[in-house]
Parts: sequence; C-alpha cells; structure tokens
Amino acid sequence: QLMLTQSPSASASLGASVKVTCTLSSGHSSYAIAWHQQQPEKGPRYLMKVNSDGSHIRGDGIPDRFSGSSSGAERYLIISRLQSEDEADYYCQTWGAGIHVFGTGTKVTVL
Amino acid sequence: EVQLVESGGGLVQPGRSLRLSCTVSGFPFGDFAMSWVRQPPGKGLEWVGFIKSNSYGGATEYAASVKGRFIISRDDSKSIVYLQINSPETEDTAVYYCTRTVSGDWSDYWGQGTLVTVSS
Repeated sequence: QLMLTQSPSASASLGASVKVTCTLSSGHSSYAIAWHQQQPEKGPRYLMKVNSDGSHIRGDGIPDRFSGSSSGAERYLIISRLQSEDEADYYCQTWGAGIHVFGTGTKVTVL
Repeated sequence: EVQLVESGGGLVQPGRSLRLSCTVSGFPFGDFAMSWVRQPPGKGLEWVGFIKSNSYGGATEYAASVKGRFIISRDDSKSIVYLQINSPETEDTAVYYCTRTVSGDWSDYWGQGTLVTVSS
C-alpha cells in the first residue's frame, strides 16, 4: 500500500538549517514526491518536486534556501538560513496507480 | 498570474447535497488535470480526487473514503472544476482546496480553500 511517513516535528535555530524527512512505503522507493508548505492559518503552497535521484524542481517564486534530496526510500526537504516565516507545517505528497497520498505533516519550529 | 478560487462552501445538513466550484485563471485550464484536497479542522491534508484533462477523456479517480458519494466534473468553457458532495457525513467537515495537477501527478498551485461544515 502506497504510504508516506513523516516525523511530527522538527526544529532549528533562526539562521540555521533543518532537514525534514518523508519516507515512502516498502516497494515504492523509486517514487517521486512533492513538498508543500502550510503557514499558520493559510492554505498550502507548493514548494518543489523531488525525484528518486535527488533532482528537484522548485515552484514559482520559491527561494533557493529550499532544496530537496533523496536517499533510498527517503525524500528530504532542506531549509537553509531559517527565517521566522519558515515556521509552518510541511507535507509530502506522492501518487501512483490513480491515487494520491499525503504524509501526516511535519511541524517545523524556528527557535 | 495563476489563480484558483473556490466557492460554494457553507453549512449543510447530513444527507443533503452541496456543490463546490473552483474558478481558475492564468493558465490554459483545458490542458491540466485538477484535484480536490481537504483538511478537517486541526488535521492534515487528505486527497479527495482528481479529474484529468479532456485530452485524456476527463477520467476521474477518487479516494476510497468518498468514492460513490463525491463527483468531480469540469467545464473547460468556463475554466471551472466542480466537486459535488452527495450524502455528506459529519466526517466530511473540512476546508476543501482545489489544486492544479501536473500530468495528473503532483499539485503545483492551490486555491485558498472553502469551508464545508456538515451538521444538523
């Protein structure tokens, strides 16, 4: 069954970097994913698509502080030079065989 | 500028029907698949379903939780995608978002959402 697993929370200091992990279910390690950001009281915003080889395509207007990478069944979102407005929930999304799946979300706190 | 604007949300009684609309602009609507995603209060995102472009027959897919009750359709002449919610249940209470879906795969633009509350 296609599923995505995310840790509930992550944190780092202002100006530092944080890595958010999304893990694909067994048998789906070749799948691409997309990352979405949801700031408090706002709708989601697409950040980027991350392929199994680690290549990624950022959405329009997304700063290069946001990057992606891959290792096996894990897909990563790396946020560099953390700013206060990066405090948000981050969701990964994948798709296949006519269904889409979202991860449970990771809340990033900027200390 | 790409814009997606949902409308039609509100309070609906269990068992009554409701139709949501998503009006889009800023891109060739007919070339893209469109999806609906919902978010119950205080919870995460849940994919509802999508509709492919008419170039791919306008085929639809749905999450198991809504299959048989929800219907997605599109009107390319008006650049609108619809979500018909039939026999709503209290568990369908959520903010409903429409998204542009690249090749029927990932969502790359989101609307601002419309709140549906199912309650007697």
